[in-house]
Amino acid sequence: EVQLVESGGGLVQPGGSLRLSCAASGFTFGTFSMIWVRQAPGKGLVWVSYISSSSSTIYYADSVKGRFTISRDNAKNSLYLQMNSLRVEDTAVYYCAMGLPGAYWGPGTLVTVSS
Amino acid sequence: DIQMTQSPSSLSASVGDRVTITCRASQGISNYLAWYQQKSGKVPKLLIYAASTLPSGVPSRFTGSGSGTDFTLTIISLQPEDVATYYCQKYNSAPFTFGPGTKVNI
Repeated sequence: EVQLVESGGGLVQPGGSLRLSCAASGFTFGTFSMIWVRQAPGKGLVWVSYISSSSSTIYYADSVKGRFTISRDNAKNSLYLQMNSLRVEDTAVYYCAMGLPGAYWGPGTLVTVSS
Repeated sequence: DIQMTQSPSSLSASVGDRVTITCRASQGISNYLAWYQQKSGKVPKLLIYAASTLPSGVPSRFTGSGSGTDFTLTIISLQPEDVATYYCQKYNSAPFTFGPGTKVNI
């Protein structure tokens, strides 16, 4: 059974940093691309970042480019999102998803940026 | 960048009704279009990919069609458990933009 579990969310002040993790199991992690998607409270889905299976191709949404860094460790079946210079508007539930389109999603982790 | 729009933004229908949601891309995306269903408080679920392909386990009352710029998601016979917000997403090239969503009520 495919399982994705995000962690690392929490409350952070504007300008701060957080590192999200996504632990994967139940599939051959190293053969699938992965994406991060976020959803602000009461709002729609917003694609954040993409990483190919080998990390050779990476994309970011313009809203996070230069502030967020996606990475993965295929040996540890883990996906990461390093988020720096956080803004109030980054407040959202962050989901990791397997593949593009996202065939399986984790339950999400809430990031709150507030002073 | 290619923009994704959906219509209507919300709709209310009766059980058994045929419901159609439209997704439009501002430029052609071939058939690189996915649909997701998100029930209230739940995680999004992939409903359709490649514009018209249903993943295993998705009920056959859901159908997708279209290519290029215009796509539709049809629920052939609306069921109570279909109350949700439906999103389209393009994935031909980055950015992999979602549509704004269509809320379906009964």
